[in-house]
Amino acid sequence: GENVEQHPSTLSVQEGDSAVIKCTYSDSASNYFPWYKQELGKRPQLIIDIRSNVGEKKDQRIAVTLNKTAKHFSLHITETQPEDSAVYFCAASFTGNQFYFGTGTSLTVIP
Amino acid sequence: GAVVSQHPSWVICKSGTSVKIECRSLDFQATTMFWYRQFPKQSLMLMATSNEGSKATYEQGVEKDKFLINHASLTLSTLTVTSAHPEDSSFYICSGGGGIKETQYFGPGTRLLVL
Repeated sequence: GENVEQHPSTLSVQEGDSAVIKCTYSDSASNYFPWYKQELGKRPQLIIDIRSNVGEKKDQRIAVTLNKTAKHFSLHITETQPEDSAVYFCAASFTGNQFYFGTGTSLTVIP
Repeated sequence: GAVVSQHPSWVICKSGTSVKIECRSLDFQATTMFWYRQFPKQSLMLMATSNEGSKATYEQGVEKDKFLINHASLTLSTLTVTSAHPEDSSFYICSGGGGIKETQYFGPGTRLLVL
């Protein structure tokens, strides 16, 4: 089955700096890669996603890049704000069936 | 976005009892629903994928007879933890969607504590 690895497990940045979280996946058939933000005790919320026919996608301060050859994808958050502090999960899926999650990154934005 | 509800949000039970958790898609039809388990400060572990009207597909290592999943309609899936034991204590989250539309929407989760 699919195996998703995520790094780093914890990340602290100063407010205004950028944060980068990286994930790798093992199954070359995976073609959909969403990113979720989970605040303590709450449900995961989709923040951005990318499909395998696209190399990069951006939504305001958030961007995701995908390298199919290397089987890795990354989340980039620019101009970080304290409210960006949360746990972020990457996931890989084949056509929306069976989502496999990374181990999570706890992001702390220091004011 | 689409809304998924879960009930109950919090349950405490004695060891040996069975607990049923409901997952409902409120404003869309979820042909596929997913059940996850999450331990504190850990990732979401996919337990099973349920498709309306058919048997659930369980991930390796998840006991089918322990975690009974029923997806009787396009808006309701249930997870029953049978003969619960303290090691079953966890946060259980369902999601609806996926499939051809890919995006999945999570329920708020159910915290289960087995004494």
